Amino acid sequence: DGGITQSPKYLFRKEGQNVTLSCEQNLNHDAMYWYRQDPGQGLRLIYYSQIVNDFQKGDIAEGYSVSREKKESFPLTVTSAQKNPTAFYLCASSIGLTPSYNEQFFGPGTRLTVL
Amino acid sequence: GENVEQHPSTLSVQEGDSAVIKCTYSDSASNYFPWYKQELGKGPQLIIDIRSNVGEKKDQRIAVTLNKTAKHFSLHITETQPEDSAVYFCAASKVGRDDKIIFGKGTRLHILP
Repeated sequence: DGGITQSPKYLFRKEGQNVTLSCEQNLNHDAMYWYRQDPGQGLRLIYYSQIVNDFQKGDIAEGYSVSREKKESFPLTVTSAQKNPTAFYLCASSIGLTPSYNEQFFGPGTRLTVL
Repeated sequence: GENVEQHPSTLSVQEGDSAVIKCTYSDSASNYFPWYKQELGKGPQLIIDIRSNVGEKKDQRIAVTLNKTAKHFSLHITETQPEDSAVYFCAASKVGRDDKIIFGKGTRLHILP
């Protein structure tokens, strides 16, 4: 059963702590993405990776970090430098990078609440 | 960079009626326009898309129209059903070095019984 998994579904952290969100895909996709979704807002791109060991900043990368050591995994760390980390985080993947030729498939999301 | 505006932010329609969601984009180089549906607590899912060389595309009860001159595109849902209740996002992208999808802010569609 192919797909994208994100864990956990809900995550609570104290202010000042770093937290890592998991994203795993078994679709054999090369490209992976992290988006942030706030109430009443569209999806904003945090980081994306076209291939293993390579990743690029998106529109709102400040306060976040990623790694891509394996094709199937793209974890996102929300650092204490992120000023407003409470949000819904979505991971996505696609075969390739060009949106018009490669549908992005989304995971179920992780809702992060920083107390 | 590209900017996508989406209206309305909330839409309520009677079951069986039609729903229309409108989007405008700013970058005339954009050539791909997907629409996503996001159900409560889930990630968005692509429901239909249109490329700039096509003016209209239909898939059963949903259709999308594109007016390149005016730089706007719309989603039409006919014979709405309860399961159509969700948040819908329009988006735009272009083929090039900056291959990113720019999303609108979303429309929350309520289907009233």
